[in-house]
Order: sequence, then C-alpha cells, then structure tokens
Amino acid sequence: TQLLEQSPQFLSIQEGENLTVYCNSSSVFSSLQWYRQEPGEGPVLLVTVVTGGEVKKLKRLTFQFGDARKDSSLHITAAQPGDTGLYLCAGARVHSNSGYALNFGKGTSLLVTP
Amino acid sequence: GAVVSQHPSRVICKSGTSVKIECRSLDFQATTMFWYRQFPKQSLMLMATSNEGSKATYEQGVEKDKFLINHASLTLSTLTVTSAHPEDSSFYICSAPDRGRTEAFFGQGTRLTVV
Repeated sequence: TQLLEQSPQFLSIQEGENLTVYCNSSSVFSSLQWYRQEPGEGPVLLVTVVTGGEVKKLKRLTFQFGDARKDSSLHITAAQPGDTGLYLCAGARVHSNSGYALNFGKGTSLLVTP
Repeated sequence: GAVVSQHPSRVICKSGTSVKIECRSLDFQATTMFWYRQFPKQSLMLMATSNEGSKATYEQGVEKDKFLINHASLTLSTLTVTSAHPEDSSFYICSAPDRGRTEAFFGQGTRLTVV
C-alpha cells in the first residue's frame, strides 16, 4: 500500500532552473528519507529528516519536514544535468522485530537539460 | 559506509526456468533484509522481508511459492523466482537496514528479463 503521495511524477526543466518536489502522507512516520536513483542502480540515500519543522541542506538541495511529520519537500536550486534521476521519498515505519521498513512514494522523475 | 552487494546485475532467462538473486551485506551483519520490485519509472514496492533463521514474511499479493526467499546466514539472503514468466520481468532490489537506524542500504539491483 502506497502511503506516500509524491508530486510531480515527471519534471523536465532546463539547466539553471529551480524546482520543488513534494511528498505527502496521511500517516506519521518515524523518519522520512529522500533517495536518488539512477537507471539500473539501487537508490542512494540523500538525507533523513526526523524532527517536525526540520530543514536540512545538502549543497543545492534543501529538504524540509513538515511540523506534523507527515509531509516533506525537496527544493533544488539552479538544477544541473547531473541532477537528473528518480527522486524517491520514503517513510520509515516500525516493522515487527525487524527494525524499520520503508514505504516509498511513487517517485519524481527529473530531467535537466543543458 | 556499509555496502550491500547484489548479484547478478542483470539476467535473461527462458520462460519456465528459475532464477536466483543474491544479496550480501559486505561489512555488517543483517538479520533482516528487504526485497523490492520496481517497474520502469515507478517506485519500489516491498515484496517480502527476509529474516535470518526463520521464514520470510510476504506482503499482501506476493506469492510465496513463486518468490522463494532464503536467509541462511547473517550476510546473505537469496530470492529465487521460480517458473519465471515474462510478467515477472522487472528490476529487483534488496536492502538491509542500518542497525538501530531508520535508513537502509540498497543493493545495485537485478534486471530480470524473462523471454
């Protein structure tokens, strides 16, 4: 069951533009994570946000976690072709005795053209 | 950082045959590993949870007799797609949670094509 709604699903922009990707849920997660995935590879963790209202920056990427810990956004400033990829948000939930399992959003496929 | 290695990275098999995919944690022990399936330009869907020394737990709608999971050691989980059909063609990814944390480390994925 997809508990996370991600938008937009597809985004094509030119180099230098800014963009924001949204991740919304009706559930509260222990943490929310953002991953980036390139074709034919596994996802790579970008950031984890845990505290409501938290803001984290990773170079040109800014991540925000909503006060209620149900939604998050990823903002990219001055996008570059190297930012092209599938961006996935994932909510961590307790999974029996196994620690945490991740529920993924549908992903945002970003294409940045020169 | 911890690394999860998945093998093979791609495999082509004939319809009706079985394919085994391996997922190894290289520098840490993983009592739990997760198996995901991903269709083109779509997100990862959790298929099953692999538990070392016990039976795997499957998500609703996933056939346990078709997707056999074995977690025989603390560093190895395998997924066997039995009697594969073209509709099983997909990208399969394993992950192992970072112990005590909510993050996970992902394998490189396996592109399965059934012809």
